[in-house]
Amino acid sequence: NAGVTQTPKFRILKIGQSMTLQCTQDMNHNYMYWYRQDPGMGLKLIYYSVGAGITDKGEVPNGYNVSRSTTEDFPLRLELAAPSQTSVYFCASGVAGDTGELFFGEGSRLTVL
Amino acid sequence: AQSVTQPDIHITVSEGASLELRCNYSYGATPYLFWYVQSPGQGLQLLLKYFSGDTLVQGIKGFEAEFKRSQSSFNLRKPSVHWSDAAEYFCAVASGGGADGLTFGKGTHLIIQP
Repeated sequence: NAGVTQTPKFRILKIGQSMTLQCTQDMNHNYMYWYRQDPGMGLKLIYYSVGAGITDKGEVPNGYNVSRSTTEDFPLRLELAAPSQTSVYFCASGVAGDTGELFFGEGSRLTVL
Repeated sequence: AQSVTQPDIHITVSEGASLELRCNYSYGATPYLFWYVQSPGQGLQLLLKYFSGDTLVQGIKGFEAEFKRSQSSFNLRKPSVHWSDAAEYFCAVASGGGADGLTFGKGTHLIIQP
């Protein structure tokens, strides 16, 4: 019943620090995504992956990195955190060849001070 | 590239009244369309989706949406809202295959008045 699990749920970083947001899914989905949500701006795609070992940039990739060593896990790495990265981050997954339906985690709220 | 416009940032509706949230999309081919709901502090939950066929689709929690190709619209409706419907609603479009995910509108914040 887990679906998509994100950790941590909340985190405060200082400018210049680094951290990794974890995302894991137990639905055997090939496709995984990282979005960020800012007030009044909807969700913007950061990175996505169509399978283990394959990742690609989305609309707003600068300042982030990802890896996909297994089908289940898709961590998002923030290097040299900046205040502009203060946001709520959502991980999502979907079935390869499906018509785009995504399943979302509960989000990770990150504040950079 | 596809895009989604939700013209209303906030909508206030009295409990028990009907609701319509507007969504317009821009996409060259037949779109795959979705409505998601986000309760405070939660992730996004799928309300309904349109892929093909009947242009009126039913979703969870008593919601429905109608696809109108001529108007490039996919408006969400509910005949009678409940206080628990207060949330953020997102319309989204996919190009199919899920390769590059969904393109979301900016959302409509629904407020329910008692």
